[in-house]
Amino acid sequence: KAGVTQTPRYLIKTRGQQVTLSCSPISGHRSVSWYQQTPGQGLQFLFEYFSETQRNKGNFPGRFSGRQFSNSRSEMNVSTLELGDSALYLCASRWTMNTEAFFGQGTRLTVV
Amino acid sequence: QQQVKQSPQSLIVQKGGISIINCAYENTAFDYFPWYQQFPGKGPALLIAIRPDVSEKKEGRFTISFNKSAKQFSLHIMDSQPGDSATYFCAASMSNQGGKLIFGQGTELSVKP
Repeated sequence: KAGVTQTPRYLIKTRGQQVTLSCSPISGHRSVSWYQQTPGQGLQFLFEYFSETQRNKGNFPGRFSGRQFSNSRSEMNVSTLELGDSALYLCASRWTMNTEAFFGQGTRLTVV
Repeated sequence: QQQVKQSPQSLIVQKGGISIINCAYENTAFDYFPWYQQFPGKGPALLIAIRPDVSEKKEGRFTISFNKSAKQFSLHIMDSQPGDSATYFCAASMSNQGGKLIFGQGTELSVKP
C-alpha cells in the first residue's frame, strides 16, 4: 500500500511569489491535514480537510489556504511568500477524522 | 491550554539503556496521545499511541505510561539501539477537533554504541 505522497520534495521561491504544494493521501483515506515544521516553532497545524470541506484551521494568516478534491488529493497554497515561510510542510492522511495520522516526507520550501 | 510540553530537549543514552521522554498537558479535553519518530529528511512516523482509559501500552521495546491525574505521559524505549537515534515528538488531540494534533517541541535522542 503506497504511503502519503507529497510533491515536490524541494522548492525554492522568491519573496512575494506564491506556491502550491500537493499531497496524495493513502488510498482510501479521506482526511488530509497540513502542518508546518520549523526549528523555532516546531510542528504547527495549518488545516484539515475531509470530504472536500475544511474541518479545522490553525492560527495562520489568510495567505495560507488549501483545498481537497473529490479523489481526496489535497493542495495547499501560500501567497505573497515571506522569508519566514521557509519550512518543511507536511501532509498527514487519515482514514477518517479520529483515526491514526500517517505523514508524508514533506516539501522543503525555501524562500529567498 | 492547548500546549503540550516535552522534555528533555535532547537525550544521550548508551546502547542497551532505557530512554525516557516526558510530556505534560493542561487541557483535560485531550483524549488521544500519539508518539512520533522522525529521522532527518523524513516525515514523522507513528510509533505508538494511547487513550486516557488505559495507564500503559506496550509495543515491542516502546512503552507509553499515562498518568491522567497528573496530566502527564511518557515514552520509554527499552534496550535502546543506535538505530533509535532520531527526534521524538509527543502529541495530543481532541475528538471534537478531528485530526488536529498539538505537538510537543521534540526530543533529539542519540544512542551511543
